[in-house]
Amino acid sequence: DGGITQSPKYLFRKEGQNVTLSCEQNLNHDAMYWYRQDPGQGLRLIYYSQIVNDFQKGDIAEGYSVSREKKESFPLTVTSAQKNPTAFYLCASSASGAITGELFFGEGSRLTVL
Amino acid sequence: DAKTTQPTSMDCAEGRAANLPCNHSTISGNEYVYWYRQIHSQGPQYIIHGLKNNETNEMASLIITEDRKSSTLILPHATLRDTAVYYCIVRVAKNSGGSNYKLTFGKGTLLTVNP
Repeated sequence: DGGITQSPKYLFRKEGQNVTLSCEQNLNHDAMYWYRQDPGQGLRLIYYSQIVNDFQKGDIAEGYSVSREKKESFPLTVTSAQKNPTAFYLCASSASGAITGELFFGEGSRLTVL
Repeated sequence: DAKTTQPTSMDCAEGRAANLPCNHSTISGNEYVYWYRQIHSQGPQYIIHGLKNNETNEMASLIITEDRKSSTLILPHATLRDTAVYYCIVRVAKNSGGSNYKLTFGKGTLLTVNP
């Protein structure tokens, strides 16, 4: 079935370590996004990519990095520079040809820094 | 993109209609109204969107006022599985130029469907 797969679902990391969250989609979508969600809060945009080999910072990009080497993949690295990385991370994609750009979300990755 | 205002929480009895309001008084003429919902610890799910006319699909109906300053999402027969946070978002159409790939999610409305 077509969809977005995020892995791992749960991840623990020690302070000072970088960690990479995987996001893969087989929907043939051009645009992909990473959001962060803290308890009781809405979603905040970290990075987004409209096309392969191109990406833009969202509202809270500091301490994060991304790459978009393939259309179907948009990994997010949470670096040691991110001061409060414990959160729920959501990846999404959308089709560039659609006028209204409905977002399709993965099931999320929950990162806990020990 | 225009801001939206939603109640923090609402309750609804199972089997009754759930009416979730959203204010978007600064909406522009080329901005769509979107609704998503998020069941606890899952990714948000698209429900419906509209521009001016009322819309209906298998999940819900969207009623947009004539001045487009507010809208209501209607779940006609709420079930326990409809308990979720519902997000109302406004955004320009993707072919309008600018940063039109972004959707900004606020805190939404926590709808609790009670047995």
